[in-house]
Amino acid sequence: AQTVTQSQPEMSVQEAETVTLSCTYDTSESDYYLFWYKQPPSRQMILVIRQEAYKQQNATENRFSVNFQKAAKSFSLKISDSQLGDAAMYFCAYRRDYGGATNKLIFGTGTLLAVQP
Amino acid sequence: DTAVSQTPKYLVTQMGNDKSIKCEQNLGHDTMYWYKQDSKKFLKIMFSYNNKELIINETVPNRFSPKSPDKAHLNLHINSLELGDSAVYFCASSQIQGLAGSEQYFGPGTRLTVT
Repeated sequence: AQTVTQSQPEMSVQEAETVTLSCTYDTSESDYYLFWYKQPPSRQMILVIRQEAYKQQNATENRFSVNFQKAAKSFSLKISDSQLGDAAMYFCAYRRDYGGATNKLIFGTGTLLAVQP
Repeated sequence: DTAVSQTPKYLVTQMGNDKSIKCEQNLGHDTMYWYKQDSKKFLKIMFSYNNKELIINETVPNRFSPKSPDKAHLNLHINSLELGDSAVYFCASSQIQGLAGSEQYFGPGTRLTVT
């Protein structure tokens, strides 16, 4: 069974600084997707970034980028120029590339990010 | 326009009651999901429906019964509510047919409190 591990329950960063959130996963599949979701206090789940396992290039979305290491099964999120609005719970998630309706998301336990002014 | 909506957003009820949570998506997606987020913020899939057909049914007590009247709606009915059912329930939707990488879009969640 696939599992996702986030070893940092809480992180803190100064405004305008850079922070990296860690995620590791376990799977025997070769094709899959990885995601980072943000959950602010409003509790809305917001997709931050996604990575297809077959792509070697790391995904980037504005100030958010990932370091995807397929062999190490590692998928970290880097937030550059941190802003107060980045404060939230961040979830790493895995989904197999099945192309079918069983593509459930498997989530890690989350990392609570605080941004200090 | 709200893409995935849930009603109600908050639900407080007593043990033993029966309650329903409704979900609607206006994205034209063919697949909908229910996830449960417990008090420690852990998120886990409960059910998924594809074109009104139950596809995923994780280990969930049979007091929980999803119903999909059409592919835009997925409701969750819970019988004989227990204290341990207190959680946030998220509905999500995605398009499966023809798009292997389709994103899942989440609703705002329903916070259920059982007293």
